Amino acid sequence: DTGVSQDPRHKITKRGQNVTFRCDPISEHNRLYWYRQTLGQGPEFLTYFQNEAQLEKSRLLSDRFSAERPKGSFSTLEIQRTEQGDSAMYLCASSLTSGLAVYNEQFFGPGTRLTVL
Amino acid sequence: KNEVEQSPQNLTAQEGEFITINCSYSVGISALHWLQQHPGGGIVSLFMLSSGKKKHGRLIATINIQEKHSSLHITASHPRDSAVYICAVETSGSRLTFGEGTQLTVNP
Repeated sequence: DTGVSQDPRHKITKRGQNVTFRCDPISEHNRLYWYRQTLGQGPEFLTYFQNEAQLEKSRLLSDRFSAERPKGSFSTLEIQRTEQGDSAMYLCASSLTSGLAVYNEQFFGPGTRLTVL
Repeated sequence: KNEVEQSPQNLTAQEGEFITINCSYSVGISALHWLQQHPGGGIVSLFMLSSGKKKHGRLIATINIQEKHSSLHITASHPRDSAVYICAVETSGSRLTFGEGTQLTVNP
């Protein structure tokens, strides 16, 4: 399967613990996005990378959240000292963007569902 | 007020009906996306458009840039069309800003 993959698919943790999620984008895609979706709502933008550079972060991304894409391929999203309000689906998407592209299609992974007890 | 508003929030139809979902936005955009999300979370891109109209099978998407409005139409709806349909606008850096989604249920 050459689509976007995310690991784990589900994570249950206790409040105060740290969690890390991984996203593997489509191999030639240079952009990688993280979104968060709570129940009954549309996704919300968290951050995105172009290659290994983190170009934009949402105000939603508090100091407890950090994302990396060290080699411009896979990305990790870490949440430290989790809170119950962090419970959500964390979605990753990737796209191939060039300077000539007017707009780009984003391909989404299946998401990681986080439950903080 | 959200930057992207969809209506209706919930829609129930009988198989075969013509369905319209509306999306209004308040920001400048480079493109508008229609996405489909099935139970369990998987999101699939249906359309990207910046002007006019696009058609794919029984799905049609239109956009009016001046009025900042888009519609998604489904002709001859089928129970397998049941899903959440999400409108998203593409702004700076290609980040997407999403509407809250429309839950569509098509009954046989």
